[in-house]
Amino acid sequence: QVQLQESGPGLVKPSETLSLTCTVSGGSISNYYWSWVRQPPGKGLEWIGYIYYTGITNYNPSLKSRVTISLDTSNNQFSLRLTSVTAADTAVYYCAGRDEYFYYMDVWGKGTTVTVSS
Amino acid sequence: EIVLTQSPGTLSLSPGERATLSCRASQSISSSYLVWYQQKPGQAPRLLIYGTSSRATGIPDRFSGSGSGTDFTLTISRLEPEDFAVYYCQHYGSFLLTFGGGTKVEIK
Repeated sequence: QVQLQESGPGLVKPSETLSLTCTVSGGSISNYYWSWVRQPPGKGLEWIGYIYYTGITNYNPSLKSRVTISLDTSNNQFSLRLTSVTAADTAVYYCAGRDEYFYYMDVWGKGTTVTVSS
Repeated sequence: EIVLTQSPGTLSLSPGERATLSCRASQSISSSYLVWYQQKPGQAPRLLIYGTSSRATGIPDRFSGSGSGTDFTLTISRLEPEDFAVYYCQHYGSFLLTFGGGTKVEIK
């Protein structure tokens, strides 16, 4: 059974870059779309973007100018970079996956809290 | 870009009651791409329903989904204590994913 685990700094300074990694275990990174989803405190879910195992990406238009999602197939990991962060980027960040033939995310990490503060 | 509006924002019900949650799309969408998740405090979302009406593995049959076009519904036939949570609808379209704002089902 595929499991996901997010990792990265829990505190980022304003204007700096947020970097997170999701490690995929119990299965291959192939044949899946890998997403990042975030949730500000007390608010709803926001999709950030996804990467296909071939490297194709798609991003939320509202974040596109600041987001990069990349893949490290040798280590079964994918990563998120979000530049020029502000307090509005404070959130729980989840990584999630969906099989290439389906349109729902059926595997999720537990989430990691990132706070943007000086 | 599709906007999903969920209502009500909060539903206050007692165990054993029926819950009806609405998800309205800003334009007609394919029912194949409408999904529901459940989220409990401090936990990641859990897949409940996909393709509007198909239950995910392990989801009890008191959960059902329906709808078409712009109007979709998640129904919980008889609320169990573990069903009190926040529910989100989600759509996939034009290579983008969109979530609704969520409905909180709380104990009355």
